[in-house]
Amino acid sequence: DAGVIQSPRHEVTEMGQEVTLRCKPISGHNSLFWYRQTMMRGLELLIYFNNNVPIDDSGMPEDRFSAKMPNASFSTLKIQPSEPRDSAVYFCASSFSRDLAGGNTGELFFGEGSRLTVL
Amino acid sequence: RKEVEQDPGPFNVPEGATVAFNCTYSNSASQSFFWYRQDCRKEPKLLMSVYSSGNEDGRFTAQLNRASQYISLLIRDSKLSDSATYLCVVTEFSGGYNKLIFGAGTRLAVHP
Repeated sequence: DAGVIQSPRHEVTEMGQEVTLRCKPISGHNSLFWYRQTMMRGLELLIYFNNNVPIDDSGMPEDRFSAKMPNASFSTLKIQPSEPRDSAVYFCASSFSRDLAGGNTGELFFGEGSRLTVL
Repeated sequence: RKEVEQDPGPFNVPEGATVAFNCTYSNSASQSFFWYRQDCRKEPKLLMSVYSSGNEDGRFTAQLNRASQYISLLIRDSKLSDSATYLCVVTEFSGGYNKLIFGAGTRLAVHP
C-alpha cells in the first residue's frame, strides 16, 4: 500500500522565490498534518486539517506560509517569499480520527519529507 | 520550560547492552504517550504506545509514571539496527483536539 507521498524530496531555491510542497495522504485518512523539523527546534506542527478543513494553524510561522487542502487526497504548503531561515525538512503526516476531539490514536504516518534549502 | 524534555544524547553503547531513555512532560493533563523512532534522514515512525501499567514489545519496555510526569524506554540486548533517534511524544488537548507534542529526541548509537 502506498504511504504518504510528498514532493519534491529535495528543493534548493534562492531567497525570495516561491516554494510549493505537495502531499498525498494515505487513502481513507481524514487528518493531515504539516510539520517542520530543524536541529534547533525539533519537530514543530505547522497546521492540522481534519476532513479537509484547517483546524489548527497556530504553528504557521507567519503570513509567508499558507496551506491548502482542496480535497481529501491532496494538500500543499506554500512559502512566499522564502527566506534562508525556512531551510528545514518539511513532513506531511496523515491519520484517521473518529472525531475532532479524538485527534488521533498517536499513530501518525509520515511521508519521507521535503528537504528545503533556501540560499 | 519545554513541554516534552529529553536528554539529547548521544548514547553510545556496545551491541548487547541495555540502555534506558527518559522523558519528562509538563502538562499533567496529558492522556496518551508514545515513543517514535526516527532513523537518520528518514521520517519518524511509531515504535510503541506507553500504557499506564507499563508495556513490553520484544526487547523494548515502556514505562509511565504519571505522578512524576515521566516516561521511559528500555532497550535490552541492543542491536546495531537500533541506532536511531527516539522521540518521546505526549498528547495535549489544545484548540479543541488532541495534539501530539514531540520531544526533540534522544540519539542512540550502537557499536560493534
